[in-house]
Amino acid sequence: NAGVTQTPKFQVLKTGQSMTLQCAQDMNHEYMSWYRQDPGMGLRLIHYSVGAGITDQGEVPNGYNVSRSTTEDFPLRLLSAAPSQTSVYFCASRLRIPGQGLDQPQHFGDGTRLSIL
Amino acid sequence: AQKITQTQPGMFVQEKEAVTLDCTYDTSDPSYGLFWYKQPSSGEMIFLIYQGSYDQQNATEGRYSLNFQKARKSANLVISASQLGDSAMYFCAMRGREYSSASKIIFGSGTRLSIRP
Repeated sequence: NAGVTQTPKFQVLKTGQSMTLQCAQDMNHEYMSWYRQDPGMGLRLIHYSVGAGITDQGEVPNGYNVSRSTTEDFPLRLLSAAPSQTSVYFCASRLRIPGQGLDQPQHFGDGTRLSIL
Repeated sequence: AQKITQTQPGMFVQEKEAVTLDCTYDTSDPSYGLFWYKQPSSGEMIFLIYQGSYDQQNATEGRYSLNFQKARKSANLVISASQLGDSAMYFCAMRGREYSSASKIIFGSGTRLSIRP
């Protein structure tokens, strides 16, 4: 049982480059989210999804795109990397149980450490 | 709009003492959920405890308990008999109304807890 898998674990980009951070989960979780964590700070929600084909913006969506074509995968795209996007990125997923939806914790991946030069 | 506030950036506690980490929240949703996560220096996010807004009892999980005061909109984490391994960042998080596009989880800025031997 792999849980939430994020790739790559580390990445260095140049300003203006684009890239996709991958996130996959094998737990059949409907809810998936992307967060960024800057040094000494909490997690800020970038985008989230409540199911395949449904995505919505979080607290800091600018500069990022997402799509959810399958239940398992939720990639995060940086359109034109900027130094301000240097951060650790976490993907998370959560189970939705009809009638019991209030008590499911999120499962987190190990994070992707991204540096933009 | 949802908001989570953790007002203690850092705390030092003597080993074996109890410690309370503060968390206040703001939401207009009639039902919501509150979570606490631990992030050790290794970086992974570890789920600790959950409290639903309609739960009559305060949540407990081993040495962790959640002091939930709905009228004051606070959800403080209490760790009894602290151990050296409790040294970590602690995040309070909130989820809004279930089964809606607003069902996202946002995090506070965190409290860094250091346990002194």
